[in-house]
Amino acid sequence: ETGVTQTPRHLVMGMTNKKSLKCEQHLGHNAMYWYKQSAKKPLELMFVYSLEERVENNSVPSRFSPECPNSSHLFLHLHTLQPEDSALYLCASSQDRGTEAFFGQGTRLTVV
Amino acid sequence: SQQGEEDPQALSIQEGENATMNCSYKTSINNLQWYRQNSGRGLVHLILIRSNEREKHSGRLRVTLDTSKKSSSLLITASRAADTASYFCATEPYTGGFKTIFGAGTRLFVKA
Repeated sequence: ETGVTQTPRHLVMGMTNKKSLKCEQHLGHNAMYWYKQSAKKPLELMFVYSLEERVENNSVPSRFSPECPNSSHLFLHLHTLQPEDSALYLCASSQDRGTEAFFGQGTRLTVV
Repeated sequence: SQQGEEDPQALSIQEGENATMNCSYKTSINNLQWYRQNSGRGLVHLILIRSNEREKHSGRLRVTLDTSKKSSSLLITASRAADTASYFCATEPYTGGFKTIFGAGTRLFVKA
């Protein structure tokens, strides 16, 4: 266990569904991240939340919407996804930028 | 183009042998990190080396950094079957911000 918990571990959703991924860390870290990992592609940073700022990857479609209600919780809201959005979604946290990141086990998302 | 690119893409060795993986990057960095990922799971941080460091050790791991060549290597000595995993380098660009960039990874298979 890394101290970062993601739920659910697996999710199958239709293209018209709305679902949310949840991430929780109790490590006292100041930054939380969402990454997308597709087959045979590098890890893609989607969103970052820190005490100082929110950073978005401008290439991420608007059908992905992050929410960070406090420093311990991070959500990724999903709506009208496409089959190509099927991937492993990883949450991570770190004390500060450029420091060791702790990853959750990921949510394996399949869009049908 | 990617900031971090690992080489080789895949490596198969016998238990007890050493495994060397390389990472090249394009822009100046603050630090470089190596992570390990077991199939379909979260990433685990292995080691962080700062731009002013040339070599770092952690147990059976040895990391080198050559900023003049913009490259790093990860050496795993006396490999074990349990070392079978994908290994990723991640670079923290000098420009700062939350822009850690991961490479596509090297898949290591250690045969017992």
